[in-house]
Amino acid sequence: GAVVSQHPSRVICKSGTSVKIECRSLDFQATTMFWYRQFPKKSLMLMATSNEGSKATYEQGVEKDKFLINHASLTLSTLTVTSAHPEDSSFYICSARRGGLYEETQYFGPGTRLLVL
Amino acid sequence: GNSVTQMEGPVTLSEEAFLTINCTYTATGYPSLFWYVQYPGEGLQLLLKATKADDKGSNKGFEATYRKETTSFHLEKGSVQVSDSAVYFCALLGSGGSNYKLTFGKGTLLTVNP
Repeated sequence: GAVVSQHPSRVICKSGTSVKIECRSLDFQATTMFWYRQFPKKSLMLMATSNEGSKATYEQGVEKDKFLINHASLTLSTLTVTSAHPEDSSFYICSARRGGLYEETQYFGPGTRLLVL
Repeated sequence: GNSVTQMEGPVTLSEEAFLTINCTYTATGYPSLFWYVQYPGEGLQLLLKATKADDKGSNKGFEATYRKETTSFHLEKGSVQVSDSAVYFCALLGSGGSNYKLTFGKGTLLTVNP
């Protein structure tokens, strides 16, 4: 199978601090990784698409300076929430897609729950 | 653009009941269709998928058939278990130039009682 991990699984931070979330593909190389945000009892909202070695593509309405994404290798992408505020509290989920033109399936990480006090 | 509409829950069933969660989609071309499941406090797991018309995806007793004529991908299971309690998401991957972005339905919460 294809396994994606996220770290940390849960984080509590003070308002104004920055938080980094890691997303790793453990047994495959991920050409593309995606970052989602999920509000309670809601569907997933795509925040950005991250391709290895290039800048992330952000969805409309997502602040790129607030949600910094780095995809430095084929197995690691990071999301940094800068100057976090309580409204940034949410469940953040990443997914990864293998390389290959016809590889369509995204494999999801277990999620990171962020609480900003 | 692409969109996915799935029946809103919550759905509450007794163990061994038959399950149907409806999903319809709007897309151009020939999208791929997926069902993902999310257990409480966890990320999403791929449940099944179908990549072309009339394909049937199946896994763990769940099935869904890609019906192009009705633009549907309904999820079914003949006999649900308490352990199937979760949120189920129908999703679509557009064909050609979609940058591999998934479009999700809003999710359906299923609760199975013993």
